[in-house]
Amino acid sequence: AQSVTQPDIHITVSEGASLELRCNYSYGATPYLFWYVQSPGQGLQLLLKYFSGDTLVQGIKGFEAEFKRSQSSFNLRKPSVHWSDAAEYFCAVGHTSGTYKYIFGTGTRLKVLA
Amino acid sequence: DADVTQTPRNRITKTGKRIMLECSQTKGHDRMYWYRQDPGLGLRLIYYSFDVKDINKGEISDGYSVSRQAQAKFSLSLESAIPNQTALYFCATSDTRQGYNEQFFGPGTRLTVL
Repeated sequence: AQSVTQPDIHITVSEGASLELRCNYSYGATPYLFWYVQSPGQGLQLLLKYFSGDTLVQGIKGFEAEFKRSQSSFNLRKPSVHWSDAAEYFCAVGHTSGTYKYIFGTGTRLKVLA
Repeated sequence: DADVTQTPRNRITKTGKRIMLECSQTKGHDRMYWYRQDPGLGLRLIYYSFDVKDINKGEISDGYSVSRQAQAKFSLSLESAIPNQTALYFCATSDTRQGYNEQFFGPGTRLTVL
């Protein structure tokens, strides 16, 4: 069965430090991959997406993610975290045919220390 | 104006009451979705609709029903609310013509069932 794992429930980093949020998926083929951010009290905003081509994708707010087929991973990175990045981050896998449904990970909550 | 709107944004109700959550979109998308978010569980799909005449159950449809009144409107009903339906509910849309099913989310409705 398809699944998405975000192994870190909570991550705390200092402002200015680098960040990597992990996402692993199980899917029979190369899926569509997404990272969303949910700020406190807000809806979900798309950070970036991968469909095909270059495995390093750039998103908004200085985020990037790298698709690694051999590791079934799509980790999110940012070289220097800002206090405003404190939020919950969700990785999602999209079916590439048929229903085109999403499967969401359980989320990683990021805390940023001043 | 927001492309995907949800009403109400917050609702407190009592066990056994009938509740309707509404979603409207101005994006012209054909597909619409209802998710619920619970802490530690991420987002789970309740129902989805590919067009006005095509409605499908998601992974957690028990206790819920939906109505697609028009291409732009998709309502979620709880016929007899129970406390474990307390959650944050999101509506989302996507466009079949896009191919890769990027979903756009509304701001969410926070529902509390006492």
